[in-house]
Amino acid sequence: NAGVTQTPKFQVLKTGQSMTLQCAQDMNHNSMYWYRQDPGMGLRLIYYSASEGTTDKGEVPNGYNVSRLNKREFSLRLESAAPSQTSVYFCASRVVSAGDYEQYFGPGTRLTVT
Amino acid sequence: GEDVEQSLFLSVREGDSSVINCTYTDSSSTYLYWYKQEPGAGLQLLTYIFSNMDMKQDQRLTVLLNKKDKHLSLRIADTQTGDSAIYFCAASGSARQLTFGSGTQLTVLP
Repeated sequence: NAGVTQTPKFQVLKTGQSMTLQCAQDMNHNSMYWYRQDPGMGLRLIYYSASEGTTDKGEVPNGYNVSRLNKREFSLRLESAAPSQTSVYFCASRVVSAGDYEQYFGPGTRLTVT
Repeated sequence: GEDVEQSLFLSVREGDSSVINCTYTDSSSTYLYWYKQEPGAGLQLLTYIFSNMDMKQDQRLTVLLNKKDKHLSLRIADTQTGDSAIYFCAASGSARQLTFGSGTQLTVLP
């Protein structure tokens, strides 16, 4: 099993450009998440998908959109990138079971917006 | 919502014990987790504790939970240079999502 994979690993964008970050998991997990990590701020939830066909906003959704393409894939789109979106983006997934919230993380996408 | 707090930095000498502390606010958090992040990598689960436990030991790792004070700690015995990383505390909370602390950067000095 590859676990959670993310592409690309690195990306540099100019202000106003758009891009889509891809995430896929092969663990048959129901829920998937997008986080951003900024120095000294830990991980902040952008969007999540509790199950295929559903998506919900997290703590910092502004400037982002998501698509849960199928059970395996969950993409994050920046329509018009801004320097404030320079960050490391992590995708995560988890199986839904009673009381267990463990999440499995991808290796991250390092995004710089100039 | 849930708030999880950690100190940002900790330095220890190789061979000493490290203790990383965390506080959380939501008393309904049923699971509390410790994740490790090495440079340039994603987060990996180190260990977790269920809220009805006081302590959990796993090789060099000991997790202590004080539910009354909503305080969680991670002790690493015989700390090695390979333990240098950022350690995140996370709590499940009532929203059924994980809330992460800001992470503690552990530096192990030779």
